[in-house]
Amino acid sequence: DVVMTQSPLSLPVTLGQPASISCRSSQSLVHSDGNTYLNWFQQRPGQSPRRLIYKVSNRDPGVPDRFSGSGSGTDFTLKISRVEAEDVGVYYCMQGTHWPPLTFGGGTKVEIK
Amino acid sequence: EVQLVESGGGLVQPGGSLRLSCVASGFTFSSYWMSWVRQAPGKGLEWVANMKQDGSEKYYVDSVKGRFTISRDNAKNSLYLQMNSLRAEDTAVYYCARAKAFDIWGQGTMVTVSS
Repeated sequence: DVVMTQSPLSLPVTLGQPASISCRSSQSLVHSDGNTYLNWFQQRPGQSPRRLIYKVSNRDPGVPDRFSGSGSGTDFTLKISRVEAEDVGVYYCMQGTHWPPLTFGGGTKVEIK
Repeated sequence: EVQLVESGGGLVQPGGSLRLSCVASGFTFSSYWMSWVRQAPGKGLEWVANMKQDGSEKYYVDSVKGRFTISRDNAKNSLYLQMNSLRAEDTAVYYCARAKAFDIWGQGTMVTVSS
């Protein structure tokens, strides 16, 4: 099984400042079809998960452009250029390249200092 | 509006059974793989099962194999999860999601396994 490791576990951020979340996989997420199936999700308190980024760096419709995804192989990053109050929540990476099972990272809790 | 609505959760004793349902609207349900994902209280997300459009392929996380069964009725735009031999560790909010993209999620239904 592919293990997804996120860091940090908790990320206190000042409003307007940048934030960065790391996600590492135990093996390369490059699929035989050439795509890398790495998604990022946001889960606000009391809400269902919402996909933000798919295939490493593609932002979903309606997602603010302050969110960006990058990386390759086994190392991936989600960046928030300027954190806003509505960004508070838990962020998860998920790999869909080597399954079953599909696997999620443990989550990173973003909170305002 | 594209939407998934789960139902069927509740309190059940260890060893008991429960059937979850998920009704889809706003998209062509029969064209998509579908998935169940769960989240134990205060914990992260765990994929549970996937099912192909025509039902010909089903996959499960090891911890539920032999106990849970995913199924679907494309005529009713519905996805199901039959859960048998429930354990305390199955306590979670269960979400259905449109796979393999996981771009659409339901609001979740809570399953509590306790005596």
